[in-house]
Amino acid sequence: KNEVEQSPQNLTAQEGEFITINCSYSVGISALHWLQQHPGGGIVSLFMLSSGKKKHGRLIATINIQEKHSSLHITASHPRDSAVYICAVLSGGAQKLVFGQGTRLTINP
Amino acid sequence: KAGVTQTPRYLIKTRGQQVTLSCSPISGHRSVSWYQQTPGQGLQFLFEYFSETQRNKGNFPGRFSGRQFSNSRSEMNVSTLELGDSALYLCASYQGYTQYFGPGTRLTVL
Repeated sequence: KNEVEQSPQNLTAQEGEFITINCSYSVGISALHWLQQHPGGGIVSLFMLSSGKKKHGRLIATINIQEKHSSLHITASHPRDSAVYICAVLSGGAQKLVFGQGTRLTINP
Repeated sequence: KAGVTQTPRYLIKTRGQQVTLSCSPISGHRSVSWYQQTPGQGLQFLFEYFSETQRNKGNFPGRFSGRQFSNSRSEMNVSTLELGDSALYLCASYQGYTQYFGPGTRLTVL
């Protein structure tokens, strides 16, 4: 079993829908990242969380440390949100990210 | 500030050759991590460097090596290339817990 599990692996939705991507992890962590990767490879860090909730524009990320679970929400989704979203955790005091397998999101107009 | 830069962006090599990839971190960042991304294995950690010292190494064979210079620039080297080394190689520099990724080097081994 992977240390970081994401669901769903693939998600297709219509423009305007509310999107939720989930991440569960099995190790103690110092921080959790949500990353976005567009075709072509570049990775952008969307959020870094160690507790609670963060919001940036239409994106919201939450983390529940006790339940070892995080969610990424996208409100009013748009085709430009189409990308792979990756959950990654920092564990054990090292700057060594452990990654989920990613969620491929497609937003249709 | 300029972001993380990686050179070259694309590289084609043949089996048995060696390759060196370069990463320049964001100015002032002393820590660099390297990652490999393949369709089959996803993203995997390769190395972490801080102030010219390797602090962590992922589960990769000894053909994968790296180093960091006094100006925080880092290089990774892969010797005796295999077809399975074809991947996107990403480096990230960081302060605290926030990592900033470079655009990656796409290596194709023929």
